[in-house]
Amino acid sequence: GENVEQHPSTLSVQEGDSAVIKCTYSDSASNYFPWYKQELGKGPQLIIDIRSNVGEKKDQRIAVTLNKTAKHFSLHITETQPEDSAVYFCAANSNDYKLSFGAGTTVTVRA
Amino acid sequence: EPEVTQTPSHQVTQMGQEVILRCVPISNHLYFYWYRQILGQKVEFLVSFYNNEISEKSEIFDDQFSVERPDGSNFTLKIRSTKLEDSAMYFCASSRTGTTGNTIYFGEGSWLTVV
Repeated sequence: GENVEQHPSTLSVQEGDSAVIKCTYSDSASNYFPWYKQELGKGPQLIIDIRSNVGEKKDQRIAVTLNKTAKHFSLHITETQPEDSAVYFCAANSNDYKLSFGAGTTVTVRA
Repeated sequence: EPEVTQTPSHQVTQMGQEVILRCVPISNHLYFYWYRQILGQKVEFLVSFYNNEISEKSEIFDDQFSVERPDGSNFTLKIRSTKLEDSAMYFCASSRTGTTGNTIYFGEGSWLTVV
């Protein structure tokens, strides 16, 4: 089955700096890669996703890049703000019915 | 914006008791899921449900677990005889089509504590 690895597990950045989280996946058949933000006690909230026919996608301060050959994808948050502090999860679909998640990255933005 | 709603938000139950977690998926969605997250760990897939039947389930989803769509709006997860290790946050999710075609939206979760 699909195995998703995520790094780093924790990330502390100064407000205004950029944050980068990296994930790798094992199943070359995976074609959908969402990123979720989870705040304490809440459910995962989709922040951006990318499909395998696209190499990069951007939405305001958030961007995701995908390298299908290397089987890795990354989340980039620019101009970080305190409200960006949360746990971020990457995921990859194993098939049409299932997402496999990474272990999560706890991002702390220092004011 | 439409959302997935879950009840209860928190339930404490005695070991061996049955628990039913309820979900109302987004109304025009056709695919339904349950995931769980043990405290501090990753989100894990339990089961997916499409066209009134289970389409896939994980090793975690053993005979103690079952899912049902009793009417046109609710989607339930039943744990027949809870164990201590079932303590976790359970997330319901839904999507309009399968993962390759559409976004999966998660509910806020039901926190289950087995004592």
